[in-house]
Amino acid sequence: QTVVTQEPLLSVSPGGTVTLTCGLNSGSVSTNYYPSWYQQTPGQAPRTLIYTTNTRSSGVPDRFSGSIFGNKAALTITGAQADDESDYYCVLYMGSGIWVFGGGTKLTVL
Amino acid sequence: QLQVQESGPGLVKPSETLSLTCTVSGGSISSGGYYWGWIRQPPGKGLEWIGSIYSTGSTYYNPSLKSRVTISVDTSKNQCSLKLSSVSAADTAVYYCARTSSWRFDPWGQGTLVTVSS
Repeated sequence: QTVVTQEPLLSVSPGGTVTLTCGLNSGSVSTNYYPSWYQQTPGQAPRTLIYTTNTRSSGVPDRFSGSIFGNKAALTITGAQADDESDYYCVLYMGSGIWVFGGGTKLTVL
Repeated sequence: QLQVQESGPGLVKPSETLSLTCTVSGGSISSGGYYWGWIRQPPGKGLEWIGSIYSTGSTYYNPSLKSRVTISVDTSKNQCSLKLSSVSAADTAVYYCARTSSWRFDPWGQGTLVTVSS
């Protein structure tokens, strides 16, 4: 069974930089998995941040960037702000129409 | 601007079938060759992809739910639908509809909470 892994909890200081990762329990993440990233605040629907590894969605600040970092997809927030405190989810395309979400990362800005 | 909106009963009894509808506005569900997906989120937990349907009707399901899920599209109503059979308390979740385009889920609906309880 394919499991997409994310750090459950991370913290960053205001103005700091943090990298969230999205991996596989077996194998490496590449651009062929079309990783995308979503931000979710309590009670709200997810908001698209990054798709196809590193394309920012419309209106997303440039402090959010996506990449492949080692064998994982990565979301980096540079110059974190208080309102970046949210849950972040990645999703990978497994082929044959199948998508798998990661378990999510709860990011605290403090 | 394209928008999607989920609707359906908020309470379903155990062993019954959950039925939800996703209504698309601001665009045609059959144009552009898009996929339309359903994602759910149990209270306090993460997102789970349920399945997707192409505008032509081809379907793709989460293997763990495949035996209980049916997704369909009604182009005349600009809607797609989700049916999940034999529900249990574990199926209690907020259910989201989202378009899949350019390898991303966007836009998302606001979500609808479905509680499975007798």
